[in-house]
Amino acid sequence: KNQVEQSPQSLIILEGKNCTLQCNYTVSPFSNLRWYKQDTGRGPVSLTIMTFSENTKSNGRYTATLDADTKQSSLHITASQLSDSASYICVVSWTTSGTYKYIFGTGTRLKVLA
Amino acid sequence: DTGVSQDPRHKITKRGQNVTFRCDPISEHNRLYWYRQTLGQGPEFLTYFQNEAQLEKSRLLSDRFSAERPKGSFSTLEIQRTEQGDSAMYLCASSSGGQQPYEQYFGPGTRLTVT
Repeated sequence: KNQVEQSPQSLIILEGKNCTLQCNYTVSPFSNLRWYKQDTGRGPVSLTIMTFSENTKSNGRYTATLDADTKQSSLHITASQLSDSASYICVVSWTTSGTYKYIFGTGTRLKVLA
Repeated sequence: DTGVSQDPRHKITKRGQNVTFRCDPISEHNRLYWYRQTLGQGPEFLTYFQNEAQLEKSRLLSDRFSAERPKGSFSTLEIQRTEQGDSAMYLCASSSGGQQPYEQYFGPGTRLTVT
């Protein structure tokens, strides 16, 4: 069964600190993995997308890694800011019968405190 | 504004009433998706259009739910005889076509509360 699991469920850190969020998946055949940031009451916004051949990608203070062998991804946030408080959702896509499908993780809720 | 828009942003309705939501995708995108998201969960796929054709529907989409995209542009999602369990955020996303899974751009969502 295709699944995406994220950890931790929630995280509280102080402003300026770094943190790492985890995403494990059991999806086959794997196509790509995306990390989204979702502010409360808003739609998700894409941070990074990685295909099978990519193992790291950065977007400002956000760096995503992908290990396709162990089926794990992480999102590292450097020098956190109050505006980073949001839910971070991992989305994995796969193909079946020529159609792309998406499965969303439940997200990690990050709270950055001053 | 060239992003995905949804209307209304919030809807409160009484159980048993019908509601309809609208999504306007990014104009050049031919793919449109509807998702449902409950508190503390990730979005769950409901249905997907390529142009005006509804190509896939989730088992979550019961007979009370119907979606249309009549001219391949905007889409509507209707829920008939609403139930309290329908309370959720309904998200719309659009993407361009082609063989690659192009990025999905999400709208702000419509929050439905059924009392």
